[in-house]
Amino acid sequence: EVQLVQSGAEVKKPGESLKISCKGSEYSFTSYWIGWVRQMPGKGLEWMGIIYPGDSDTRYSPSFQGQVTISADKSISTAYLQWSSLKASDTAMYYCARRERIVGATTFDYWGQGTLVTVSS
Amino acid sequence: EIVMTQSPATLSVSPGERVTLSCRASQSVSSNLAWYQQKPGQAPRLLIYGASTRATGIPARFSGSGSGTEFTLTISSLQSEDFAVYYCQQYNNWPPVFTFGPGTKVDIK
Repeated sequence: EVQLVQSGAEVKKPGESLKISCKGSEYSFTSYWIGWVRQMPGKGLEWMGIIYPGDSDTRYSPSFQGQVTISADKSISTAYLQWSSLKASDTAMYYCARRERIVGATTFDYWGQGTLVTVSS
Repeated sequence: EIVMTQSPATLSVSPGERVTLSCRASQSVSSNLAWYQQKPGQAPRLLIYGASTRATGIPARFSGSGSGTEFTLTISSLQSEDFAVYYCQQYNNWPPVFTFGPGTKVDIK
């Protein structure tokens, strides 16, 4: 069964850097886009960006362009989301999700369990 | 940028009732519309894609309809496990772009 397993919860201070991960298994990791979705406490879902691990083609939501960096290491079937300088407003749950390939169904069919990031002084 | 809206924000219903949730796009998204269910402490789960196709393993009581800018998710007979927040989402085939609606919370009356 397809699985996306995310790294564990993080507690950081403002200004610190962070890289969280999402490891895919039981499917061809290089053939499916992986997206990242933010959910702030008590709020809705926001699409942040997406990467194609096969060639590292990366697209960002305008709201998150320049705020985060998405990358992938296809040799270990892992996608990453990173911040160079965290802010308190980055406190949220972050989900990775696989994008289905079938035309007309190209949305997120499998999701990771989420990584809670808490930024507090 | 496409903006998604959902109504109502909250819906209080009793088990066994029929539930209809609405989603509207600010411009046509054709049939590139998905519905997700999210329960507290869980990741979202894909229910419907292509506006009307149930995802794998989704019970038949969930159905989707609509195209263009107006969409509906119907739960024919609400079960206890269906109390959750439901999000609609538009998606592009290319370039990959996604926009979620604000969600509708379905809670117990």
